[in-house]
Amino acid sequence: DAKTTQPTSMDCAEGRAANLPCNHSTISGNEYVYWYRQIHSQGPQYIIHGLKNNETNEMASLIITEDRKSSTLILPHATLRDTAVYYCIVRIYNAGNMLTFGGGTRLMVKP
Amino acid sequence: DSGVTQTPKHLITATGQRVTLRCSPRSGDLSVYWYQQSLDQGLQFLIQYYNGEERAKGNILERFSAQQFPDLHSELNLSSLELGDSALYFCASSVGAGNTEAFFGQGTRLTVV
Repeated sequence: DAKTTQPTSMDCAEGRAANLPCNHSTISGNEYVYWYRQIHSQGPQYIIHGLKNNETNEMASLIITEDRKSSTLILPHATLRDTAVYYCIVRIYNAGNMLTFGGGTRLMVKP
Repeated sequence: DSGVTQTPKHLITATGQRVTLRCSPRSGDLSVYWYQQSLDQGLQFLIQYYNGEERAKGNILERFSAQQFPDLHSELNLSSLELGDSALYFCASSVGAGNTEAFFGQGTRLTVV
């Protein structure tokens, strides 16, 4: 799996967009970018994934740069309940076996 | 609610003992994964089963074992417990063997005293 680099922590004001960056400069052509989050000691929650096109769902948007070496997860209107650790994972789709979680970004949404 | 059920939610036991953690995957999911999360290690993959067969193994200790039953529920057995085994243990499930859209349960918090 390609290695990812994320900031250790970030703050965001409630109601504003939270933009969480992820660097994956060694990503290969068949690797997808996945985002999960973990709200304090709960099980990780799948958010979104993409290959090269930008993706949007009810939770978030994923913007992947044209060279695919970095991506940004956008929570359009952050709420206090979005306070969590966000994990960026690069993985070949359906390659088998496990998700490898790194350190993630601890996002603190403040009132 | 992810649809993955783990029992028990909390477990306190003494060193040297053996415990069994149980996981019921989402309906229709054939793959089950076990993860360990301790304070200083983050989320560590232990083992994966797919339709009853072991599919992948991570950093799982020899004192730990798992199995997946014909009804697809899975059990993680931890024996000769040590203080360092205190952690959150998560189970996840997915439809196929390699889907990274895995859904996680709420975990079992194991405390070894």
